[in-house]
Amino acid sequence: GENVEQHPSTLSVQEGDSAVIKCTYSDSASNYFPWYKQELGKGPQLIIDIRSNVGEKKDQRIAVTLNKTAKHFSLHITETQPEDSAVYFCAAKPGGYQKVTFGIGTKLQVIP
Amino acid sequence: GAGVSQSPSNKVTEKGKDVELRCDPISGHTALYWYRQSLGQGLEFLIYFQGNSAPDKSGLPSDRFSAERTGGSVSTLTIQRTQQEDSAVYLCASSPPGSGDEQYFGPGTRLTVT
Repeated sequence: GENVEQHPSTLSVQEGDSAVIKCTYSDSASNYFPWYKQELGKGPQLIIDIRSNVGEKKDQRIAVTLNKTAKHFSLHITETQPEDSAVYFCAAKPGGYQKVTFGIGTKLQVIP
Repeated sequence: GAGVSQSPSNKVTEKGKDVELRCDPISGHTALYWYRQSLGQGLEFLIYFQGNSAPDKSGLPSDRFSAERTGGSVSTLTIQRTQQEDSAVYLCASSPPGSGDEQYFGPGTRLTVT
């Protein structure tokens, strides 16, 4: 089955700096790669996703890149703000109705 | 519109008791997932329902865990003879028809077994 590894497990950045979280996956059949943000006491919220037919996707201050050959994908947050502090999860999924495999999560702290 | 809802939000139970956790998915969503999240850990897949297909139960940790989905909508996760290691947040998510990719999570039920 699919195995998703995520690092770092914790990340502290100064407000305004950039944050990068990296994930690798093992199943070449995976073609959908979402990122979720989980704030304390809440369920994960989908913030951005990328499919295997593109290499990069941006949405305001967040971007995701995908390297299918190397089987890794990354989340980039620019101009970080205190409200970006949360746990971020990457995930990978094959096409169709299949289960999603999540990474272990990265706790991001943005220091004002 | 309304998101995924779960009830109760918190449940404290004594070891050995049975518990039922409820999930109301987003209306029209055909897929429903249950996950377990232990303190400070990632999401552990438990079970997945898709339409009228047989559920994928491959993540259930023991036969004390079971789930059903009635009428293709509401789902109940049942844990029998609860153990302290069952203490965790139980999250439910649903996906719209089509690719089934995007998952929308509920707020979770925090289960504490004393």
